[in-house]
Amino acid sequence: GAGVSQSPSNKVTEKGKDVELRCDPISGHTALYWYRQSLGQGLEFLIYFQGNSAPDKSGLPSDRFSAERTGGSVSTLTIQRTQQEDSAVYLCASSSFGGQAKETQYFGPGTRLLVL
Amino acid sequence: AQRVTQPEKLLSVFKGAPVELKCNYSYSGSPELFWYVQYSRQRLQLLLRHISRESIKGFTADLNKGETSFHLKKPFAQEEDSAMYYCALRIPGGYQKVTFGTGTKLQVIP
Repeated sequence: GAGVSQSPSNKVTEKGKDVELRCDPISGHTALYWYRQSLGQGLEFLIYFQGNSAPDKSGLPSDRFSAERTGGSVSTLTIQRTQQEDSAVYLCASSSFGGQAKETQYFGPGTRLLVL
Repeated sequence: AQRVTQPEKLLSVFKGAPVELKCNYSYSGSPELFWYVQYSRQRLQLLLRHISRESIKGFTADLNKGETSFHLKKPFAQEEDSAMYYCALRIPGGYQKVTFGTGTKLQVIP
């Protein structure tokens, strides 16, 4: 089927505004991940979902960041009161099952967020 | 906490020359290690994983537990190898957090 999709592809917002980023994983994939890709910072893990539960939220940089997943499918990453340092590419990935050595994470195209 | 280090931000080699992208990790146990690649205007994708002991597009990577390294190698670089390469580590069992390095941009000069 189709790969991981993310929307919007680009988002420009003003400092202080809230933004919502959406991720549609590959159908049937139970595990979903959010990462942030900043210039010179590599890939930073944000949060992991297994089904609708988030067993690991340790990567969320502050309480302005939150994420949810409904129906074991679509996930939304919300950033409240955006700051300029939130500007980055936000990547979503999904995999077929958590815990298996051979599973592969499939990445979406990312959402490029620019906070002015 | 586990960490992945890629010391080179940019590696430039001539076409046909050997390539070695360095990756070192810090983790006391036996991790699962991966190389991901991102070609220009494409998605990040898995290149290879150490557990499969595979060669993909001529690339290989050997886990050296003594040196805690997982360097990516190719004997003869091709122009189409130009991309961003990320080394990644996952702790077996438990949850699926993957720790990525900061990436190395490989530039193959024709």
